[in-house]
Amino acid sequence: AQSVTQLDSHVSVSEGTPVLLRCNYSSSYSPSLFWYVQHPNKGLQLLLKYTSAATLVKGINGFEAEFKKSETSFHLTKPSAHMSDAAEYFCVVSDLRNAGNMLTFGGGTRLMVKP
Amino acid sequence: DAEITQSPRHKITETGRQVTLACHQTWNHNNMFWYRQDLGHGLRLIHYSYGVQDTNKGEVSDGYSVSRSNTEDLPLTLESAASSQTSVYFCASSERSSGRGEQFFGPGTRLTVL
Repeated sequence: AQSVTQLDSHVSVSEGTPVLLRCNYSSSYSPSLFWYVQHPNKGLQLLLKYTSAATLVKGINGFEAEFKKSETSFHLTKPSAHMSDAAEYFCVVSDLRNAGNMLTFGGGTRLMVKP
Repeated sequence: DAEITQSPRHKITETGRQVTLACHQTWNHNNMFWYRQDLGHGLRLIHYSYGVQDTNKGEVSDGYSVSRSNTEDLPLTLESAASSQTSVYFCASSERSSGRGEQFFGPGTRLTVL
């Protein structure tokens, strides 16, 4: 079975400071990993994805994530937070056994950005 | 541009009534999914479909049903709405794949059962 743990339910940063959202996964096979963002009262938008190519993945809006197999981690980072980054972020895993592309979601991390 | 739409965006209904939430995608994706989102639970899978005439139960399928008569649509029906089904519902779709592809999400339907 696969699972995802987002280590912080809430993260608060000041505008212009770095962002770190932590995610650990469990999967018996080579996983695909995703980060989605959800702004208030909106649907989920894909930020970035890892699918066994480069371990450092760059996404939209300056976000990136590094796949570390030895640590089973896929943390999301951004060098400098912007007010518009305030949202809920979901780490998601899918593995090779999922012929139908089913996803397992983490519980989410709410990012707050202070002026 | 291809998209995935949901209707209605907001719905208030009464306990015991049948409710149907619509999901329509123009991506021509084979796979479609329904999730519910509740505080403290993230997104949980209700039902999914890998193609026309195919439907499968997810993690929280009790009280819900789906049917897939064409590629574009996967309506979700609450047979007899209960207050515990008050939630935000998201539809998603993806290409048929070996598990590598991302899912594309609709804007959501906020359902309140009184």
